[in-house]
Amino acid sequence: EVQLVESGGGLVQPGGSLRLSCAASGFTFSSYEMNWVRQAPGKGLEWVSYISSSGSTIYYADSVKGRFTISRDNAKNSLYLQMNSLRAEDTAVYYCATATVAGRDEIDYWGQGTLVTVSS
Amino acid sequence: AIRMTQSPSSLSASTGDRVTITCRASQGISSYLAWYQQKPGKAPKLLIYAASTLQSGVPSRFSGSGSGTDFTLTISCLQSEDFATYYCQQYYSYPPKYTFGQGTKLEIK
Repeated sequence: EVQLVESGGGLVQPGGSLRLSCAASGFTFSSYEMNWVRQAPGKGLEWVSYISSSGSTIYYADSVKGRFTISRDNAKNSLYLQMNSLRAEDTAVYYCATATVAGRDEIDYWGQGTLVTVSS
Repeated sequence: AIRMTQSPSSLSASTGDRVTITCRASQGISSYLAWYQQKPGKAPKLLIYAASTLQSGVPSRFSGSGSGTDFTLTISCLQSEDFATYYCQQYYSYPPKYTFGQGTKLEIK
């Protein structure tokens, strides 16, 4: 069974940093692209970042470019999101998500999410 | 970047009703569109991909149609468990990798 478990969320002051992790199991992690998607309280879904299976291709949403860094460790079946220069508008539940069906891009598995709150 | 616009933003309906939610892309996306259902405090759940293909395990009362710029999600006979928020998502052109609609909240009348 595919499982994605996020951790690392919490309360951080504006301008601070936080590192999110996503532990993957139940599938061959090194073969799949991964994403971070966030959802501000009471708001819709916003894609944040993408990393290819090897880590060689990375994309960011304009809203986080230059502040967030996505990475992965295929030996540890783990995905990361380093978040720097955090702003109040980064407050959200952050989901780790992936598309597991070969040749298809729609996300079919999501973690349970981890809440990041940016506030003084 | 491609923008996705859903309508309506909210919808009130009764159990047994047929409802339709619309999603419009700012430019053509062929059939690279998915629909998700999200309940409070939960992660989104994939309902439909490739605009009209039902994800395994999703009840047949859900259906999707459209291509190009205009898409619809139809629930043919609402059940109590269908009251939730629905999102469309394009995956035709990137970056950005994915773009979501703003969501449609389906509430009990």
